[in-house]
Amino acid sequence: EDQVTQSPEALRLQEGESSSLNCSYTVSGLRGLFWYRQDPGKGPEFLFTLYSAGEEKEKERLKATLTKKESFLHITAPKPEDSATYLCAVHSGSARQLTFGSGTQLTVLP
Amino acid sequence: DAMVIQNPRYQVTQFGKPVTLSCSQTLNHNVMYWYQQKSSQAPKLLFHYYDKDFNNEADTPDNFQSRRPNTSFCFLDIRSPGLGDAAMYLCATSRVGNNQPQHFGDGTRLSIL
Repeated sequence: EDQVTQSPEALRLQEGESSSLNCSYTVSGLRGLFWYRQDPGKGPEFLFTLYSAGEEKEKERLKATLTKKESFLHITAPKPEDSATYLCAVHSGSARQLTFGSGTQLTVLP
Repeated sequence: DAMVIQNPRYQVTQFGKPVTLSCSQTLNHNVMYWYQQKSSQAPKLLFHYYDKDFNNEADTPDNFQSRRPNTSFCFLDIRSPGLGDAAMYLCATSRVGNNQPQHFGDGTRLSIL
């Protein structure tokens, strides 16, 4: 059974204080790892897909990286508008659909 | 803009009173999904459609049903809602293929009185 664990559960940063969120996974044959951003009361918004170890994707202040066991979402010089819950999900060869982690709730203080 | 639209955004129903949530999409995606998300938890897949081919998750309660009359619309019916069914219900769509990202609507927040 695929498993996805995100840490920390919650993270508070000062504006401009860079940090990383972790997504550890156990799957049989990774087909893709997805990062989403979810604002309170809204649906998840797609950010990135990573397919293989060593791959990196960037979007504004966010950079996602992937190894064989985990993915990191690096946030460089965050702003208050980056505050949200960040969800990680995996798609494997053994599961028909996505398996989501519980998310990291990020708060960026001005 | 192409998007996934869920109605209503907020729904209040009484214990045991049937309720229907709706989802429409302008992305022309073949696959549609319904998820249940409770506070601070991961979205939990209830069912999905590949075109009209319906796929039910093994642990989806029997009082949850779904209909997809055409490519653009999908409905979630809860026949006899219990207090434990209070949650955010998310609809998502994707193209066919293992690595296709899912695109979500903003959800319907369901409350049970």
